[in-house]
Amino acid sequence: DVKVTQSSRYLVKRTGEKVFLECVQDMDHENMFWYRQDPGLGLRLIYFSYDVKMKEKGDIPEGYSVSREKKERFSLILESASTNQTSMYLCASSLGAYNQPQHFGDGTRLSIL
Amino acid sequence: KQEVTQIPAALSVPEGENLVLNCSFTDSAIYNLQWFRQDPGKGLTSLLLIQSSQREQTSGRLNASLDKSSGRSTLYIAASQPGDSATYLCAVEVRYGGATNKLIFGTGTLLAVQP
Repeated sequence: DVKVTQSSRYLVKRTGEKVFLECVQDMDHENMFWYRQDPGLGLRLIYFSYDVKMKEKGDIPEGYSVSREKKERFSLILESASTNQTSMYLCASSLGAYNQPQHFGDGTRLSIL
Repeated sequence: KQEVTQIPAALSVPEGENLVLNCSFTDSAIYNLQWFRQDPGKGLTSLLLIQSSQREQTSGRLNASLDKSSGRSTLYIAASQPGDSATYLCAVEVRYGGATNKLIFGTGTLLAVQP
C-alpha cells in the first residue's frame, strides 16, 4: 500500500528559527509536492520536485526552500520562520507527471510563536 | 486563471440518504479531475480520478461524473453512513510550466452524516 510519512504531526518553533519538515515516500514515485493548507484558502502549492535534485517553485514559494537529495525524501525548509507561516503542511507524491493520483501524508501542524 | 469552487461549504444529512456534492471549475483545459477525502487533522485520501476524456468513475458507493464543457463535476454518495463524515475536496489537474502538471483545489465541502 502507498505510504507517505511526514516526520512530525505537530511542531512549535519560534520566529527566526530555521525549520525543517521532512517527508518520505516508499513507492518509488518520481514526483513529490509540498502544500500548505489554511482555512478559507484551501491547499496551495509551495514547491514540487519531479526528479532527484530537481525542484520547481509552486504558487507561494517565498520564505521557503526545498531539498531532494534522494528519490524517496523531500524536505521543506523555512529559512527564517515567521508567524504567517503557521499552518498545516502537507506532503504528497505521485508516480508520474500526468494523470496520476497524488498520495498524501498525514500533515504537520506547524505553529510559529 | 483556473478557479475551483465547491458548494455547499457544509452539509448535514441523516444516515441512509443519498447525496450529491458539487464542484465547478472555470477553465475546461484540464487533464483530469480528482476527488479527495480529508478526515479532521489528517492528510488527503484519493477517492476517484476522472480523466478529461471520461464521463464518470465509480468506486463502491461513490460515483463521480465530469462535464468538462460546462465546468462541473458531482460526487454522488449512495446510502450515506456516519463513517462518511469528512471534508471532501475536488481538484483539477492543469498544465504548469514545461515539465509537469499541478492540482488546483477547491476549498471543500464538510459533510456530517447523522446517525
